[in-house]
Amino acid sequence: QSALTQPASVSGSPGQSITISCTGTSSDVARYNLVSWYQQYPGKVPKLLISEVSKRPSGVSDRFSGSKSGNTASLTISGLQAEDEADYYCCSYTSGGTVLFGGGTKLTVL
Amino acid sequence: EVQLAESGGGLVQPGGSLRLSCVVSGFSFSRYWMSWVRQAPGKGLEWVANIKDDGSEKHYVDSVEGRFTISRDNAKNSLYLQMNSLRVEDTAVYYCGRGSVARDSWGQGTLVTVSS
Repeated sequence: QSALTQPASVSGSPGQSITISCTGTSSDVARYNLVSWYQQYPGKVPKLLISEVSKRPSGVSDRFSGSKSGNTASLTISGLQAEDEADYYCCSYTSGGTVLFGGGTKLTVL
Repeated sequence: EVQLAESGGGLVQPGGSLRLSCVVSGFSFSRYWMSWVRQAPGKGLEWVANIKDDGSEKHYVDSVEGRFTISRDNAKNSLYLQMNSLRVEDTAVYYCGRGSVARDSWGQGTLVTVSS
């Protein structure tokens, strides 16, 4: 049960778009359309941003979007804002019924 | 309003036990998978365990298999995590949540510290 692979950090300027990747295997990301993304501010509880690869829960800005190709899922944030500076985690269902998180990506807004 | 409230965390010696509880309100508890996720100090999120709506199916991360037991009481709207043979590396904030992969509601977390 190795964690999904995310870049440790990404950065972008206000107004730009950034993409965070999440690489898994044929037993998790590639096999199931059950990938979620979470946003977490320091000291706060994580918030669900995306479920089932690309579905946004009610109340989540449409600047956040998700996609998947093969064993890699991606979170794209468009029109970057200062308030987007946070940690982001991907999560996937795996064969056998377990769940894996990625190691997390720290987003810095320059 | 959906609410989840964990309790039961604290300081315990290596090899000891703790039982975490999570009481929920604001939704039909018996209709949802539930799960526990933990976060060690300064580290990322780690999924720990999940349980089906009727309790008939449970899954665990390898590192806690055989030591932790997830359970639920749908009559009491409560989720539990019995933690035995605790190790220093189990030190973390433990969050209960509605759902498993897509956890749309989280509790505030309870801190478990394993130290001698």
